[in-house]
Amino acid sequence: GQQLNQSPQSMFIQEGEDVSMNCTSSSIFNTWLWYKQDPGEGPVLLIALYKAGELTSNGRLTAQFGITRKDSFLNISASIPSDVGIYFCAGQVQGAQKLVFGQGTRLTINP
Amino acid sequence: GAVVSQHPSWVICKSGTSVKIECRSLDFQATTMFWYRQFPKQSLMLMATSNEGSKATYEQGVEKDKFLINHASLTLSTLTVTSAHPEDSSFYICSATWGQGYQPQHFGDGTRLSIL
Repeated sequence: GQQLNQSPQSMFIQEGEDVSMNCTSSSIFNTWLWYKQDPGEGPVLLIALYKAGELTSNGRLTAQFGITRKDSFLNISASIPSDVGIYFCAGQVQGAQKLVFGQGTRLTINP
Repeated sequence: GAVVSQHPSWVICKSGTSVKIECRSLDFQATTMFWYRQFPKQSLMLMATSNEGSKATYEQGVEKDKFLINHASLTLSTLTVTSAHPEDSSFYICSATWGQGYQPQHFGDGTRLSIL
């Protein structure tokens, strides 16, 4: 079945640094989504991407849908303490509503 | 907008008990709801897809007789863990979406289930 490879698995950065994480797959996806999950809570949607090549921003967050439709990246600029959490990419294949999730990137920020 | 409420947020019960978890879409009609299970430090694993008024579709390896799903209305789906055992302890999360196209899934806050 489809799998998403998300990297890195964890990141330890200083406050103010920029962050970049990505997801790749051997399969084509029609939709890429990026979620953030805080401990003990459900994932919250950050950015949704629907077209190959699409570049979308949400505040300090920017995500792109790869041209090949097999990858996506998420960048966070000027990180702040509340950015701490686990970030998941998720993909949706054509004709299916269910999502395939990446393994997550755990972000830790040193003040 | 797109708020999904899940209840209870935390439940502790004895082995052999059945536990019901509710998932409600508060400000939209959820034609499809999904149930996930998440173990510590792992990603979300889809258990089943639930469409309003029809039987749920379970993922491979998920026991349909153990995890009963009911989606009786466009705003409510329930997951019942029957005869729960310690190995069923996990974080259960629902999500909801609408329409047939590529609408994002919106997640509830999850239910922490602990079976003693």
